[in-house]
Amino acid sequence: AQSVTQLDSQVPVFEEAPVELRCNYSSSVSVYLFWYVQYPNQGLQLLLKYLSGSTLVKGINGFEAEFNKSQTSFHLRKPSVHISDTAEYFCAVSLIIQGAQKLVFGQGTRLTINP
Amino acid sequence: NAGVTQTPKFQVLKTGQSMTLQCAQDMNHEYMSWYRQDPGMGLRLIHYSVGAGITDQGEVPNGYNVSRSTTEDFPLRLLSAAPSQTSVYFCASSYSRTAYNSPLHFGNGTRLTVT
Repeated sequence: AQSVTQLDSQVPVFEEAPVELRCNYSSSVSVYLFWYVQYPNQGLQLLLKYLSGSTLVKGINGFEAEFNKSQTSFHLRKPSVHISDTAEYFCAVSLIIQGAQKLVFGQGTRLTINP
Repeated sequence: NAGVTQTPKFQVLKTGQSMTLQCAQDMNHEYMSWYRQDPGMGLRLIHYSVGAGITDQGEVPNGYNVSRSTTEDFPLRLLSAAPSQTSVYFCASSYSRTAYNSPLHFGNGTRLTVT
């Protein structure tokens, strides 16, 4: 079975403060991990991805994530957030099942930036 | 470059009515899929297609039909709308069904309300 758990449904932070959005996954096979961002009234866009290699992955808009196999985690971080980072963030795991890609998404974390 | 285009953006249906949500992509992507997004549940896969003439079920296919007669289009049909189908629907595509590093490109969504 494959699942993704985002531990916080909402995260409020002040502008220019650091933030961490937590994601844990369960899988018995190798996984490919993604973070997507959804700005208000828009579809999702890819923020970053982990396929293999370095466990620290850098994405767009200053975000980065660290893959930790022993803790089955893929937490997203940014050292200093801006108002424009207000959005919902989704962690996802990609599997190839019967020859097709399937993404399993977490429940989402709503990041709110306060001035 | 339009990417993934969904129509309509908003729709209100009465219980028992049928309708089709349209999705078109202009990137010559092989893989197309439909997700529904509900609060606290992330995105759940309804149906997907790995090429023209090929479709398969996702996690929550009941009450929905799809077809893929061309590479570009992947409409989602609600046969007899129910209030439980009130949701935001996203169409997404990627260039290869087997390339695990192929990110999904999302449309901007269709917000459906069934009364």
